[in-house]
Amino acid sequence: TQLLEQSPQFLSIQEGENLTVYCNSSSVFSSLQWYRQEPGEGPVLLVTVVTGGEVKKLKRLTFQFGDARKDSSLHITAAQPGDTGLYLCAGGGEKLTFGTGTRLTIIP
Amino acid sequence: EAGVVQSPRYKIIEKKQPVAFWCNPISGHNTLYWYLQNLGQGPELLIRYENEEAVDDSQLPKDRFSAERLKGVDSTLKIQPAELGDSAVYLCASSHRGWPQETQYFGPGTRLLVL
Repeated sequence: TQLLEQSPQFLSIQEGENLTVYCNSSSVFSSLQWYRQEPGEGPVLLVTVVTGGEVKKLKRLTFQFGDARKDSSLHITAAQPGDTGLYLCAGGGEKLTFGTGTRLTIIP
Repeated sequence: EAGVVQSPRYKIIEKKQPVAFWCNPISGHNTLYWYLQNLGQGPELLIRYENEEAVDDSQLPKDRFSAERLKGVDSTLKIQPAELGDSAVYLCASSHRGWPQETQYFGPGTRLLVL
């Protein structure tokens, strides 16, 4: 079974601060996706990375896929209250394997 | 374009009772997924359909869970009888050609509470 561990599990920071969320596994994935899920809604895809070492930017969010395609990070610059939510990484292979999640709260 | 529709949004039942969830995928999406999500955790795949065929049901507890996707469009997930540990959010997702080629679009989920 492929496992994806996310850290931290919970993160609460002030508006305007920077943060990084990590997604780690001992398994190699063909691709890595990041989702954000708000209360009462399903996960919404933010980005897909497929190449080892790949970096993608989405406004204030920067996503990186590890060189060995076993880990990934999500960096948010100048966090805003609208960034609050559950962030999930998901590894691609024969099926999508979701990580354990990071619950992020941005305090105004 | 309408997203994935699920109903009901919430369901409260007593243990040992049956319950059913319904999902209408995005029009034209031939792949449909049912996931289970416990509080604060990532979704776990229960079953994946390609059109009307269940191509991956290895994680579906078949003693009490069943699913169908008649005509390859709408799908129903059933639990009979429900147990306390089944309390969770049940998510439905759909994609055009199936993982890993296409993005999965998730519905809002059905939140089940078993008392």
